[in-house]
Formats: sequence, structure tokens, C-alpha cells
Amino acid sequence: DAKTTQPTSMDCAEGRAANLPCNHSTISGNEYVYWYRQIHSQGPQYIIHGLKNNETNEMASLIITEDRKSSTLILPHATLRDTAVYYCIVKGYGGSQGNLIFGKGTKLSVKP
Amino acid sequence: DSGVTQTPKHLITATGQRVTLRCSPRSGDLSVYWYQQSLDQGLQFLIQYYNGEERAKGNILERFSAQQFPDLHSELNLSSLELGDSALYFCASSGATGRNTIYFGEGSWLTVV
Repeated sequence: DAKTTQPTSMDCAEGRAANLPCNHSTISGNEYVYWYRQIHSQGPQYIIHGLKNNETNEMASLIITEDRKSSTLILPHATLRDTAVYYCIVKGYGGSQGNLIFGKGTKLSVKP
Repeated sequence: DSGVTQTPKHLITATGQRVTLRCSPRSGDLSVYWYQQSLDQGLQFLIQYYNGEERAKGNILERFSAQQFPDLHSELNLSSLELGDSALYFCASSGATGRNTIYFGEGSWLTVV
């Protein structure tokens, strides 16, 4: 079972920041938080990941709380092409812990 | 482009038949993963191979099998197909098992009629 809880759906206005929350209260010390998205029926696309520090790349920023029990993915200027299902996944490493277990994710709709 | 290549992109076959889906991982990646996505089940992990050996097994049916070859490409074999096997099948790859980001291919659409 997925170790994360995400809202089922969210709306965001085009050009505004999209803030997608994720709860992972049972995360272990050696587990990372990964974010992927799936646009329609394309292959899941890697966005960003982090352990305990905030991370930023060309796609998004990841804010992880100090207790690591929750995180927020930030798309700074959402466009219509960011409409997708966003998955927050807790992932360890080594053996079966290295796999991605997908939950239901958050369906983000970016509206003009 | 993730660098993971899957063939065929689309496949239609009849119940009871057998099909093989092929995956070429990103250059240098040793781990290959297979996932199934059907309308009512979401993305389900099937199986993982690392450098030719099975590393982890998920919700893979006994009618399904996979292998990873010495050149690191992988094949997923689906036999005695049923209507419910109609789904998108994704292959993904990563570097050293579990320590690297996993990248997905564009999937193979399987329709069983």
C-alpha cells in the first residue's frame, strides 16, 4: 500500500503557483520523497525528489517539513500543459524498497 | 524522452493468446521494472530485474513472466490472455538498484478482444 496521502484533485489558475500537498507521516529516516506526474496516458515523468532538505530544479520545488511527515510540491508558474495526475511516493533503496509504489495521486487541473 | 524504449506501442490480440512486450532500458541502467496500469487499478508494480536477476516481485500473475537478458533489455511475457489483461504496460529503468531515479518508457497498450 502507498505510504502517502494526497488530495484527490486540485484546480489552479494558469500562471499561478500550484502547491500540491502530501502527507507521509510514517516515513522512515532512510526514505526519500519522490514526485512523479502522468499526463493523460503517457509514461510517468520524474519531477523531483528529496530526503530532508528543500530541493529545486527546472521543473519544480520540493518543500519537506522539518519532521519529514509532509511535503509540498510547488510548480511556480503553472501552465495548461501541467494538467496531470501528480504522485507523491516514499521510496527507500535496495531490494524491494527501491521500487515505486503508486497511490491514486492528485489530479491537477490548470485552468485558463 | 526518458531514454527507455518500449515496443510495440500498441497491440491487439485475442483471448487465450500469448504476447511479448519488449523494453530497452536507458544506457547504463542495470535495473528494469515492469508496471501495469488498468482503468480500475491504477499503476501496479509487477516485477523488477537487476543485471539479469529477479530482484523484487509485486502483483504479477502466474500467467505473466519476465526476464532480463545479458544486454540488459527485458521482455514481459503475457500468456493465456484474458479480457481483464487489457492495460497499459510500462517499463522503467534505473541505475544501481534503488539508489537512482527511476525513468519510465511511454508504455505498450495491450487490448485483448
